Amino acid sequence: SQQGEEDPQALSIQEGENATMNCSYKTSINNLQWYRQNSGRGLVHLILIRSNEREKHSGRLRVTLDTSKKSSSLLITASRAADTASYFCATEGGGADGLTFGKGTHLIIQP
Amino acid sequence: SQTIHQWPATLVQPVGSPLSLECTVEGTSNPNLYWYRQAAGRGLQLLFYSVGIGQISSEVPQNLSASRPQDRQFILSSKKLLLSDSGFYLCAWSTQTSEQYFGPGTRLTVT
Repeated sequence: SQQGEEDPQALSIQEGENATMNCSYKTSINNLQWYRQNSGRGLVHLILIRSNEREKHSGRLRVTLDTSKKSSSLLITASRAADTASYFCATEGGGADGLTFGKGTHLIIQP
Repeated sequence: SQTIHQWPATLVQPVGSPLSLECTVEGTSNPNLYWYRQAAGRGLQLLFYSVGIGQISSEVPQNLSASRPQDRQFILSSKKLLLSDSGFYLCAWSTQTSEQYFGPGTRLTVT
């Protein structure tokens, strides 16, 4: 089942601009993860943020987590054409059910 | 509508024993197929993906292999399991442009 809801569903920006994608979820979690998927390819793990963390950075990526609002955001700074892809959030709870994915945001970077 | 099946749901195997996990998809033709592994508290790791019968791409060197004997069948195998092979294994499918749809997963414990 999928509990994450990403928004927007699609986002188109100019190269060099920042891109922000949001994810909301419904149940308590141990961690939240963001993935990228290029068309027709597998998911690539980008970053994992634990439930006791509020912000995490990795290169041009910044992820925030607000457990009180059950939401997370992924910020990609100084976007590049190669960032064009679909981005998914996934939550991991305390049970044995693995990851639960949202439906994704399709990001298009215009050169 | 499309559905994806994985079995078994759980599996406990001794070190050195063989492994065969099966994934089948219904309701679509020529899907892209994927095998992922997730260790507890870690991100999803892409193991193999396939764009057609007999076409397998391996993303990471490991003790596992994959085969696609039929259009909608994807099999994950090992000749001799290691303790480090324990984890949650997910099969997924997609079209060339769609998001990925995940199966229910198999929890493998190697003892």
